[in-house]
Amino acid sequence: NAGVTQTPKFQVLKTGQSMTLQCAQDMNHNSMYWYRQDPGMGLRLIYYSASEGTTDKGEVPNGYNVSRLNKREFSLRLESAAPSQTSVYFCASSLGLNTGELFFGEGSRLTVL
Amino acid sequence: DAKTTQPTSMDCAEGRAANLPCNHSTISGNEYVYWYRQIHSQGPQYIIHGLKNNETNEMASLIITEDRKSSTLILPHATLRDTAVYYCILEGSGGYQKVTFGTGTKLQVIP
Repeated sequence: NAGVTQTPKFQVLKTGQSMTLQCAQDMNHNSMYWYRQDPGMGLRLIYYSASEGTTDKGEVPNGYNVSRLNKREFSLRLESAAPSQTSVYFCASSLGLNTGELFFGEGSRLTVL
Repeated sequence: DAKTTQPTSMDCAEGRAANLPCNHSTISGNEYVYWYRQIHSQGPQYIIHGLKNNETNEMASLIITEDRKSSTLILPHATLRDTAVYYCILEGSGGYQKVTFGTGTKLQVIP
C-alpha cells in the first residue's frame, strides 16, 4: 500500500522556470493538500482540495496553482519559480476535510537558484 | 481553530518514558487533539488522537486533562528511532484547512 506518492523527490530550478509537482494517493481519500515547510517553521498550507473537482487557497497560495486531476491526483504548479519558493513541499490526503487523520507523502525538495 | 503551545525541545534517555506536553487552553468542545511526528525530513506521520478520554495504541498513549486545556503524549519506552519533531494540533468541524502546524517539540532520545 503506497499511500501518498510525490514526484519528483528533488528538483533544482532556475529563477523563472516552471515545473509541476505531482501527488497521487491510493486510499480513496476525498481531500488532498499541499504544504510547504521552510527551515525552523511549521507546515504552511498552500492549497487544498476538499473533494474531486474543487480547489481552494490556503495560507500561502501566491505563486502557485493547483489541479485536482481526478480523485487520486493533485498537482502543484509553479509558473515562474522564485528563490523564495525554495522549500520542501509535502502533499497530504485525508478521508474528508474533517474526517480521519492526514497521510503525508515523503516530500519534494525544491531549490530555486 | 484554536492553537497549541509546545516546548521547543526535550531530551529523553533511551528506554525511559518520553512525556511530551501540549497546551491548548482555548480548545473548543468539538475539537480533537491530534499528534503527529516528523522523523528527520520525512513526511509527518500520524500517531494518535483523542477527544476527552485517554487513548492508547501501539505507538503511544494520549492523556487529556479533564478540562481539556492540555494533553500529554507518552512514548512508554523511547528508542533512538523516536528522535523526531512532534506536533500537537487541534482539528474540529472546521476542517484541516484551518489547522495550524506550529514548530512542534524536537525530541532527542539519548543513548
